[in-house]
Amino acid sequence: QVQLQESGPGLLKPSETLSLTCTVSGGSIRSYSWSWIRQPPGKGLEWIGDIYYSGSTSGSTNYNPSLKSRVTISLDTSKNQFSLKLSSVTAADTAVYYCARVFRGGSGPDYWGQGALVTVSS
Amino acid sequence: QSALTQPASVSGSPGQSITISCTGTSSDVGYYNYVSWYQQHPGKAPKLMIYDVSNRPSGVSNRFSGSKSGNTASLTISGLQAEDEADYYCSSYTSSSTLVFGGGTKLTVL
Repeated sequence: QVQLQESGPGLLKPSETLSLTCTVSGGSIRSYSWSWIRQPPGKGLEWIGDIYYSGSTSGSTNYNPSLKSRVTISLDTSKNQFSLKLSSVTAADTAVYYCARVFRGGSGPDYWGQGALVTVSS
Repeated sequence: QSALTQPASVSGSPGQSITISCTGTSSDVGYYNYVSWYQQHPGKAPKLMIYDVSNRPSGVSNRFSGSKSGNTASLTISGLQAEDEADYYCSSYTSSSTLVFGGGTKLTVL
């Protein structure tokens, strides 16, 4: 059974960089694609981007065009983790951030983490 | 990329059937058969209910079914039960190799 767990700071100030890590257990991140999705309080889901292992430590990525200039997703195969960095955060980036597995290219995520609330406030 | 369009809310009585629509464009819903549906209860992570338009993951009740026509996909829940009350989201892979979600639909079981 695949399990995913998000970790990282829960409170940031405007202009700081959001950094979250997703630890995967029960499967290797060298298989499948891995996504980050967020949900502002009381609002809908927004896809941030995904990554898949392509033989290089950086992986191959796709990003939401509206966030692309601020987002970096990376893999750490030695720790079976993948990470999200979102720069220059504002209050609009306050959300629950989910990491998730995509079992096949094109399909939606099948396994999700429990989510991590990140609040941006001065 | 623009969010897919879903009705804000739908409702039905126990035992009835309801359908939730998800409208996109020829660059997402209409481009591939890669539409998924998720159920989300308050405070919980989304759960995959349908993938590739009409396929159910193992363990999902056969009361849930999906279909697609052109740029619109649909989720039908038959034999409504109280535990079906939740938010439902659709998603679609796009021609740009990205994923886009719908705005979500709140299902109320009367």
